Amino acid sequence: EAGVTQFPSHSVIEKGQTVTLRCDPISGHDNLYWYRRVMGKEIKFLLHFVKESKQDESGMPNNRFLAERTGGTYSTLKVQPAELEDSGVYFCASSQASGSLDGYTFGSGTRLTVV
Amino acid sequence: DQQVKQNSPSLSVQEGRISILNCDYTNSMFDYFLWYKKYPAEGPTFLISISSIKDKNEDGRFTVFLNKSAKHLSLHIVPSQPGDSAVYFCAASRSGGSNYKLTFGKGTLLTVNP
Repeated sequence: EAGVTQFPSHSVIEKGQTVTLRCDPISGHDNLYWYRRVMGKEIKFLLHFVKESKQDESGMPNNRFLAERTGGTYSTLKVQPAELEDSGVYFCASSQASGSLDGYTFGSGTRLTVV
Repeated sequence: DQQVKQNSPSLSVQEGRISILNCDYTNSMFDYFLWYKKYPAEGPTFLISISSIKDKNEDGRFTVFLNKSAKHLSLHIVPSQPGDSAVYFCAASRSGGSNYKLTFGKGTLLTVNP
């Protein structure tokens, strides 16, 4: 079974540019989460999808961040325009609809550097 | 305000000895706790968990202890092996409801020396 796949693994962009991160969850997982880790800090929740619906987006930093999950399959996270403080590692995770918290699977992350 | 705190950024242990990683939380609504292990350039991987109705959970070399009154949990690894060297994250959640949001600590870098 393929795990959670994130693309790209690294991205370096200039301040003011746009970047789109992609996450392919494990097939059949209805729950999809985005998290972010800024260097040296904790991994912070951004938002949660159940299928194509946003269940909780309380962790999204501001309106420069837009997450979508069209068709309830893969998800994208767009940052527009990017700022220096957006640098960090963005993790995606997925879990089954009725699964326990132990069944949460993370991807390897996208390391975003804004210069 | 950090709701999950791992006050030791790093820990160094000799191979074969016990590693003890600590975690404190402030939110009394948390009722499910997890430990994740993370290697460089990889995502966190689930290690072990404990529900608030228990005070101990074991899985092989890994044991998690929960002290609800102190809002403290710890992960014991015995015996420690060089392959255990990684960053360990403590995470907490409210298991009820449909939102399985995890709140993480900053992590502790464990180094096990041969």
